[in-house]
Amino acid sequence: GNSVTQMEGPVTLSEEAFLTINCTYTATGYPSLFWYVQYPGEGLQLLLKATKADDKGSNKGFEATYRKETTSFHLEKGSVQVSDSAVYFCALRGGSGNTGKLIFGQGTTLQVKP
Amino acid sequence: GAGVSQSPSNKVTEKGKDVELRCDPISGHTALYWYRQRLGQGLEFLIYFQGNSAPDKSGLPSDRFSAERTGESVSTLTIQRTQQEDSAVYLCASSLGFPPLQYEQYFGPGTRLTVT
Repeated sequence: GNSVTQMEGPVTLSEEAFLTINCTYTATGYPSLFWYVQYPGEGLQLLLKATKADDKGSNKGFEATYRKETTSFHLEKGSVQVSDSAVYFCALRGGSGNTGKLIFGQGTTLQVKP
Repeated sequence: GAGVSQSPSNKVTEKGKDVELRCDPISGHTALYWYRQRLGQGLEFLIYFQGNSAPDKSGLPSDRFSAERTGESVSTLTIQRTQQEDSAVYLCASSLGFPPLQYEQYFGPGTRLTVT
């Protein structure tokens, strides 16, 4: 079945450092890919998405490119801030299923220190 | 505007008791999803409603779990004879319409269930 694997955390970085959180997926068909973020004490919210191969999703300085050849959707940010500290979830939707359910990775905790 | 709301925000219950968790989706959203997030893990899909019907119940972990939706609005997730492994945050999400793949899901704040 469909699945998502993302790098284990926690990831600890200094402010202004470069961030990469790896995400790979297994899916049949052509899924859409997502990054969700959960800030401390807040609900889960969509950060960015890409719906087809080679699409780049971007938001708030974060980017991720849908790479079908490597089945990856790595999250990157050039210069992190303390306010980026949160749990990040990679997810997919679609592929062989069509109910719209999201399949999530296990989450990566990011802590940014001043 | 109002987002997805869930109640209660926290629930502590004794093993063996039944619990009901409520979700109020965004008004007009016809699709509704329940997910579970156990400590240190990602979210697991439980059930999907389109209107009042549940075409996908594949994520319900056992027959102790059931859910219903009425009036294409409120949904209730019921866990009977709770076990300690049911302890988790239960999240509800809603989206605007059909086909479900085209619409973003908006998540509620979750209900934290602790089974003692």
